[in-house]
Formats: sequence, C-alpha cells, structure tokens
Amino acid sequence: ETGVTQTPRHLVMGMTNKKSLKCEQHLGHNAMYWYKQSAKKPLELMFVYSLEERVENNSVPSRFSPECPNSSHLFLHLHTLQPEDSALYLCASSQDPGWWTVNSPLHFGNGTRLTVT
Amino acid sequence: GQQLNQSPQSMFIQEGEDVSMNCTSSSIFNTWLWYKQDPGEGPVLLIALYKAGELTSNGRLTAQFGITRKDSFLNISASIPSDVGIYFCAGQLGEGAQKLVFGQGTRLTINP
Repeated sequence: ETGVTQTPRHLVMGMTNKKSLKCEQHLGHNAMYWYKQSAKKPLELMFVYSLEERVENNSVPSRFSPECPNSSHLFLHLHTLQPEDSALYLCASSQDPGWWTVNSPLHFGNGTRLTVT
Repeated sequence: GQQLNQSPQSMFIQEGEDVSMNCTSSSIFNTWLWYKQDPGEGPVLLIALYKAGELTSNGRLTAQFGITRKDSFLNISASIPSDVGIYFCAGQLGEGAQKLVFGQGTRLTINP
C-alpha cells in the first residue's frame, strides 16, 4: 500500500455540488498538507495541519474547507466551486512540518484530478 | 510572493542524450530540492541540497546548489525512457511549509 493515498483519483462536479476529497497517510507522520497544482503554474500550498491542528491557511477561499480528524486522515470539503478551481489537488505528509530532508522528505499522494463544470 | 524561474518549460530529446535544467530566483534560499512527477502520480523527491556550492549525485542525476544561493541546476546523463515526466525545483527560505517555493516545472519528453 502506498504511503499517501488519495481518493477519488478523478472527480467531476457542478458548481452547486458538495463533494469531499480524502487523504490517508500510512507513514506515521505528524503533518499533512493540501496543495493545488494547475497547469504550468507552481504548486500552491493551501493548508497545513500539524498534530491535527491547522497551522497554515494561505488565504484560500472559504469554498474550500479542510478537516483533519486525526494525524492519519485529511479531508478537503468542496462547496460551490468555480471552473477556475479545476486542478490537480495533492495531499502530502511529513514527519516534521517545518523542514524536510532526504531522510524525512515531503511525501505526496497521487492527487485528485478535479474538474468543475 | 517569492518566485522561482525554472527553465526550460519543456524539453524534447532523443534517448541517450544528456539533459540540463535550472532554477533561478532573486531570493536567497537555505535549501534546494528537486522533485520528479511521473504521469498520473505525485512528485517524488530526487535530490536535496543544503549548502552553497554543494554538488550531489543520485545515479545519473546531478544537482548543484549555486554559490550565490539564488540558483540550482539539475543534470540527467544518458537519458532513458523512464526519465519522462515533470521535474520541479523547490527552494526553502526558512522553517515552515509556507517557506517552500516551487518552480513551474520542466516537462521532459524522450523520443526512443
């Protein structure tokens, strides 16, 4: 089983739908993250959780709502999205929320490809 | 916000050729990281650099942390088909995820 698992892999939703993205890490890490990846743009950090407490919120619109019920699970609740929100949403985890090294890097999941129609 | 300029944006090469890509910034970084993203997967860390001037290899990959701490390059020697993917540089300004800045990526395509 891979270290960071994201479901679903693909999601198509209308602008009035409510859906949730799920992430689960099996690495015993303390920190989890949501990133947005759009074509030809740098990865954008959305949210950071350390020991289940949110420590970073990069001015993300309120239509994105994260939830971290425990250190192994992370959700991103979606509501009333816009077409420009279509992107690949990547979950990641790490042992330490501050610094990463070769021995303790940021581990990414395979992402959820979201299309908003 | 901080920005990294990664170039080239895309490369089309023949199998067996060497590859070179780089990232530059107006900011000074404490750490440089290079990631690879295979199609349909998330990025995976290839190489991490921690000191100005550091040269590190990982198999056919070699990366260097620029002396000015504002740039880094990644070389791939004797490319093979599995090298296809998107390569990202990332620079860390300080502690915390918000201090990790990613480049736009270099998409590598290899003709057999």
